[in-house]
Amino acid sequence: GQNIDQPTEMTATEGAIVQINCTYQTSGFNGLFWYQQHAGEAPTFLSYNVLDGLEEKGRFSSFLSRSKGYSYLLLKELQMKDSASYLCAVIDSNYQLIWGAGTKLIIKP
Amino acid sequence: IAGITQAPTSQILAAGRRMTLRCTQDMRHNAMYWYRQDLGLGLRLIHYSNTAGTTGKGEVPDGYSVSRANTDDFPLTLASAVPSQTSVYFCASSASGGASGANVLTFGAGSRLTVL
Repeated sequence: GQNIDQPTEMTATEGAIVQINCTYQTSGFNGLFWYQQHAGEAPTFLSYNVLDGLEEKGRFSSFLSRSKGYSYLLLKELQMKDSASYLCAVIDSNYQLIWGAGTKLIIKP
Repeated sequence: IAGITQAPTSQILAAGRRMTLRCTQDMRHNAMYWYRQDLGLGLRLIHYSNTAGTTGKGEVPDGYSVSRANTDDFPLTLASAVPSQTSVYFCASSASGGASGANVLTFGAGSRLTVL
């Protein structure tokens, strides 16, 4: 079966750095997305990785290791508005999106 | 503002009733999708449409039907609602069908449905 694992919940402090991990076992791999979803709102696109390495976009970075079936989202200089759920999604060999359950990030002052 | 409009925002429904969730996009995207989101589970695809006039089944299609008469509209119908269909439903669209880095999903704000 296809599986994507993310921690259910994480807590971090305002101004700090947090790393949200995502491991996957899927039938093939054609890319990985990270989406942000604030409570009661729609998911919004954050990043996309298809090659190994780090993609940096302002305070957010996403890393991929295809050989390890592993990705992480790194959030720097945390702000209260970063409190949200972060969804990992993998494109499988049929170009279908497989979604993780999401990681709820709580930011404390 | 370009995007996706879903209606209703929330609805409480008696079991056995018929319900249609509406979805309209103004981005001229070819592909549209319906997902359900339940606590502790990832988004699950119900039905999709890669272009107007065509539809396909996703991971959890039973009890749901869709139509795609034109590019902009993609309604989701529950013919006879059951309590297990209590969920938050998201409509999404992308420029074309098939997931890829160039084909990012845009989501609507969601419809919260409770079936009693």
